[in-house]
Amino acid sequence: EPEVTQTPSHQVTQMGQEVILRCVPISNHLYFYWYRQILGQKVEFLVSFYNNEISEKSEIFDDQFSVERPDGSNFTLKIRSTKLEDSAMYFCASSDGGFGTEAFFGQGTRLTVV
Amino acid sequence: AQSVTQPDIHITVSEGASLELRCNYSYGATPYLFWYVQSPGQGLQLLLKYFSGDTLVQGIKGFEAEFKRSQSSFNLRKPSVHWSDAAEYFCAVGAHRNTGNQFYFGTGTSLTVIP
Repeated sequence: EPEVTQTPSHQVTQMGQEVILRCVPISNHLYFYWYRQILGQKVEFLVSFYNNEISEKSEIFDDQFSVERPDGSNFTLKIRSTKLEDSAMYFCASSDGGFGTEAFFGQGTRLTVV
Repeated sequence: AQSVTQPDIHITVSEGASLELRCNYSYGATPYLFWYVQSPGQGLQLLLKYFSGDTLVQGIKGFEAEFKRSQSSFNLRKPSVHWSDAAEYFCAVGAHRNTGNQFYFGTGTSLTVIP
């Protein structure tokens, strides 16, 4: 069964450092998403991406965040200068975009900023 | 604006007992609705979804949910809970856009199953 894969599963970084979280969406999907879940809290939407551009972003997705699809398979989330409050589980998801279809989620990357 | 409310933050049930997790949504058009489950340290797995048609939908692991438009609800049920059902459950509403679908999640309900 096709799945969304994320790497790494866990990353520890120092405050102020840049991190790149990587995702390989399901191959025939065209719509990609990043969500964040701070420990014990809700799953929060960050950004959606379609046709090589951001289609929607939340208030959380400020200038320190960026997304990219550098090739035909990877989808990345970059945080330029990490803050302590960026510590969270980051989930990548993809969808084929059909009406009523669901998002398929990866296993997540746990980011710890120290 | 779309929103999802899960009024129960935490529920504890005995193994073998029935379960109902509540979900209320707010959406201006006909919604499509989802229930996801998140086991500890895992990603979100789709349990079931409602798009149209029969308002009682069946999902994996013996779960079902009923869409009630008049109550703006999409409650998840299971007749007999197993210890392995202990997890976090998220209700979500989907909104279709020209640029793809957007998914809005509730705050989740944590389920504890006691022997």
